[in-house]
Amino acid sequence: KAGVTQTPRYLIKTRGQQVTLSCSPISGHRSVSWYQQTPGQGLQFLFEYFSETQRNKGNFPGRFSGRQFSNSRSEMNVSTLELGDSALYLCASSLIQGMTGELFFGEGSRLTVL
Amino acid sequence: QKEVEQNSGPLSVPEGAIASLNCTYSDRVSQSFFWYRQYSGKSPELIMSIYSNGDKEDGRFTAQLNKASQYVSLLIRDSQPSDSATYLCAVRGGATNKLIFGTGTLLAVQP
Repeated sequence: KAGVTQTPRYLIKTRGQQVTLSCSPISGHRSVSWYQQTPGQGLQFLFEYFSETQRNKGNFPGRFSGRQFSNSRSEMNVSTLELGDSALYLCASSLIQGMTGELFFGEGSRLTVL
Repeated sequence: QKEVEQNSGPLSVPEGAIASLNCTYSDRVSQSFFWYRQYSGKSPELIMSIYSNGDKEDGRFTAQLNKASQYVSLLIRDSQPSDSATYLCAVRGGATNKLIFGTGTLLAVQP
């Protein structure tokens, strides 16, 4: 059974640009969550999607957005990149949404903003 | 106050000893509690979940939950060098129902 797939794995952008990250969940999983991981802040919650609807949102500015498609694949977008957006962006999928915390993480997309 | 707090460590224990990792959370109505392990350069992986007060054992791992004290712990018996990793506490439920992670405790098991 294939795991969570994130693309691209690595990318370098400059300030002011925008970036789109993609996540394909485990087959049959309908919930996708996104986290930002940095050495100082740890794993910070960005969004949670289920059945194409955003169910939860973290405390990030509006430059961070996301969506989920009918096949459960998800994308997140960061516009007007800032140096502080450099981080590992992790996507995780789960079978259902809500009270479970049993997330399966992808390998992440490492974003460097210059 | 952070929603989920962990001592960043490093926590160093000799091989074969018991490693004790602790976590406190601020939202009293939180209902689900999880421990993830993250090896350096890898993604987090779930190792334990606990939903009710008391102890839950799985092999060498025991999770302990005390909702009155808003405290979760993970005990690793017979620690092995392969247990060296960052252990992340995660809490779901409460007012927002978000899954919130602590910043993790780095465990180093010395051979």
